Amino acid sequence: GQQVMQIPQYQHVQEGEDFTTYCNSSTTLSNIQWYKQRPGGHPVFLIQLVKSGEVKKQKRLTFQFGEAKKNSSLHITATQTTDVGTYFCAGLIIQGAQKLVFGQGTRLTINP
Amino acid sequence: NAGVTQTPKFRILKIGQSMTLQCTQDMNHNYMYWYRQDPGMGLKLIYYSVGAGITDKGEVPNGYNVSRSTTEDFPLRLELAAPSQTSVYFCASTPGGVLWTDTQYFGPGTRLTVL
Repeated sequence: GQQVMQIPQYQHVQEGEDFTTYCNSSTTLSNIQWYKQRPGGHPVFLIQLVKSGEVKKQKRLTFQFGEAKKNSSLHITATQTTDVGTYFCAGLIIQGAQKLVFGQGTRLTINP
Repeated sequence: NAGVTQTPKFRILKIGQSMTLQCTQDMNHNYMYWYRQDPGMGLKLIYYSVGAGITDKGEVPNGYNVSRSTTEDFPLRLELAAPSQTSVYFCASTPGGVLWTDTQYFGPGTRLTVL
């Protein structure tokens, strides 16, 4: 079936190190959204990318949407303990019906 | 605004019992959604609604029912609870416009265990 795969599943870094999570789809995505979920919390919207090759920045976070609109990445520069949580991508697939498909998430833990 | 609220926060059910998970939003959003999140997994869409009186199935609707009699409320009904329905349930809403292209505002979730 249609899937949005996210890697890695887990990532542990030292505070100050960089972090990247990748989202890959076998199907072209109409758009992609990124969410952050703190432990025990609910998903919180971070950003939406729509255009091929789009790059957006939010302070230390950089989001990219691939040229083929089949992959995306989230990069955090110089992680801080407040970055701890699980990062999800959600890709919109339009094949007849529209479907927003979530990746399984990348759980980020940080050693202070 | 309280945003999206969900009750209860936690619930333990016995196999075969029924319950309703409540979801209310005070942002006058037209679209509302129910997701389930199994441990270590992403969210899967159960049902969604684009307005009062209109509901549609998502990816995993079996074992659930919904109704949308008002803009604010979107309850999720579990009939004959099964252990496979043990999960965290999130309700979300978006303002309207084009489906799936808006920021989704999530409620705090209901953690359900079926024993």
